[in-house]
Parts: sequence; structure tokens; C-alpha cells
Amino acid sequence: DTAVSQTPKYLVTQMGNDKSIKCEQNLGHDTMYWYKQDSKKFLKIMFSYNNKELIINETVPNRFSPKSPDKAHLNLHINSLELGDSAVYFCASSHLSGKETQYFGPGTRLLVL
Amino acid sequence: DQQVKQNSPSLSVQEGRISILNCDYTNSMFDYFLWYKKYPAEGPTFLISISSIKDKNEDGRFTVFLNKSAKHLSLHIVPSQPGDSAVYFCAANFKAAGNKLTFGGGTRVLVKP
Repeated sequence: DTAVSQTPKYLVTQMGNDKSIKCEQNLGHDTMYWYKQDSKKFLKIMFSYNNKELIINETVPNRFSPKSPDKAHLNLHINSLELGDSAVYFCASSHLSGKETQYFGPGTRLLVL
Repeated sequence: DQQVKQNSPSLSVQEGRISILNCDYTNSMFDYFLWYKKYPAEGPTFLISISSIKDKNEDGRFTVFLNKSAKHLSLHIVPSQPGDSAVYFCAANFKAAGNKLTFGGGTRVLVKP
């Protein structure tokens, strides 16, 4: 009964490749988020979607493109991967209104070689 | 420009004693504060939160205190248990910015038996 799930859990790839990370939530939330945890362990927001509409778009290279086919899914596509993209990417979900608590997935560990 | 800071990267405490984790913030527009706990290779797990209009919230062994004038919050865990050993992240929510969560750098807690 995983609330927020991500696939894959690990991703090792070469520079220049294009890859996608998928996220699904079964909590009935209307908002989903992508966070990046860098090598210094800081967690930073990248994007959020509310009912398939982009709400938050932080200063992220346009090689990163989120896609939300429905409010239970938010995928992250990364083009032309670079060494600096190596990080752990976390998906999260919440209700936009209310208590605002965000629930996180287990993370996807991306290593770009 | 770190708007949320956890100045203690680590904390070691004896089982049964109190753990006190501190967090400072700079943006007075934050309207909700949350603490997350994170085990290695897992996503952050929500622990406890507090609204900016309150000064204390308690849930079992966990109590969060908020001092708005000092822009400071703290998490008290009492009594500390070995299973509490984890990294704790303080986060601040800015609802008007689409529930944008800004995280501190984390404090690693080790509870010694």
C-alpha cells in the first residue's frame, strides 16, 4: 500500500542520455512535487503540479521537463544528462489547501557517468 | 541564500534523554513549519508540524516550539530512543507560493543505547 511510489529506485546512465523518472501517488492528493537532494544533502524544490497545472517552477535547466498525465502521476524527463545531474530525486504529494503536509516517495538515485 | 538553517549538523544523545534540534529561518512569510525524519535510502517521513500562529505543538514524544519573534523553532524528542537515530529536516512552507517547502540542511541524530 505504498502512498507515493517512484520508479526506478536506481538509475545509472551515461552523459548525454535522456531518461525519465516516474511517480505515482494513491493518496488522492491534488498536488505533486519534484525535489532534488544534491551531494551536500540539501533538499530543493524543482517543480509542482496542481491538477495537471504547473504551479512551481524553480530555476531548473530546461533539460528537465515534468509531465503530469493526471493528478495521480508526475513524471520527470531529463534530456542530455550531465554529471551535475547526479543526485537523489524525490517525488512528493499533498493537498494544495489544508494542512499542506507533503508526503514523500522513497527517492530515485541517479548517477550520471 | 539559505532561508532555513539547521546549524547543528549532528547530535549525539543517550537513550532516555532529551534530544533538542534547532532551526532558524529568515522569511517572515512562512506560514507553516514541519519536521521530517529521514532514514538512509528512504524518503523523508513527516513527523510533526506547527502553524505560524501557534507557539507549541505536541504529539507523543515529539514537541515543536515556535518563537516567531526570534524566527526560531525547535524539536524536542523525549525520551530519545535508538530508533530515533536518523537525519531530521526542518522545513518551512510558503502557502501563497504554491505550498513551496524550503528545507534546512538537516541534523543527524544518534541515540546511543
